[in-house]
Amino acid sequence: GQQLNQSPQSMFIQEGEDVSMNCTSSSIFNTWLWYKQDPGEGPVLLIALYKAGELTSNGRLTAQFGITRKDSFLNISASIPSDVGIYFCAGQRTNSGYALNFGKGTSLLVTP
Amino acid sequence: SQTIHQWPATLVQPVGSPLSLECTVEGTSNPNLYWYRQAAGRGLQLLFYSVGIGQISSEVPQNLSASRPQDRQFILSSKKLLLSDSGFYLCAWSDSMVPLHFGNGTRLTVT
Repeated sequence: GQQLNQSPQSMFIQEGEDVSMNCTSSSIFNTWLWYKQDPGEGPVLLIALYKAGELTSNGRLTAQFGITRKDSFLNISASIPSDVGIYFCAGQRTNSGYALNFGKGTSLLVTP
Repeated sequence: SQTIHQWPATLVQPVGSPLSLECTVEGTSNPNLYWYRQAAGRGLQLLFYSVGIGQISSEVPQNLSASRPQDRQFILSSKKLLLSDSGFYLCAWSDSMVPLHFGNGTRLTVT
């Protein structure tokens, strides 16, 4: 399937800083998902978005479904060391059936 | 609640040997099941998905095959492994109400 454009590829920040990452596509999606993957483990679902313009929070995480339905962003506020990992966005196109399109991930490093 | 189990967690196999990775889901019926591969470049590549028993769709032609002998069981196989089959294999499930959830993965090293 089509790869999403996820940026930045990596981030190296200090504890306490806010983080922002985003995904864009040339195609319309009807679902956006954000996952976090710790080393050696499977990705874990953080936030699911189902409606254009939707803004959803999960603790310090906030994600939005872009109104054009072609983009989404994830913000992490007041980062902590356990936020380290790879963050993936995933989108499901209107007629794609069952498979998701994934971004290539944003690697986040947080220094104490 | 639903849970997904995938095993083994790690596997080292010689080139030319067979492969069998197993995945089971509990707490749901007739889930959609998926096998993904994640190479060192981090991208998640969909290999196979299944919407029901005996129904397998292949996304990428390769040395691997998948089977779904039972409703909540999904197996990834190979008759003869290649070096290029090394990677991190992830099983996942979803249904009409639940978005994609992944297992903990199998690290396969082909030597």
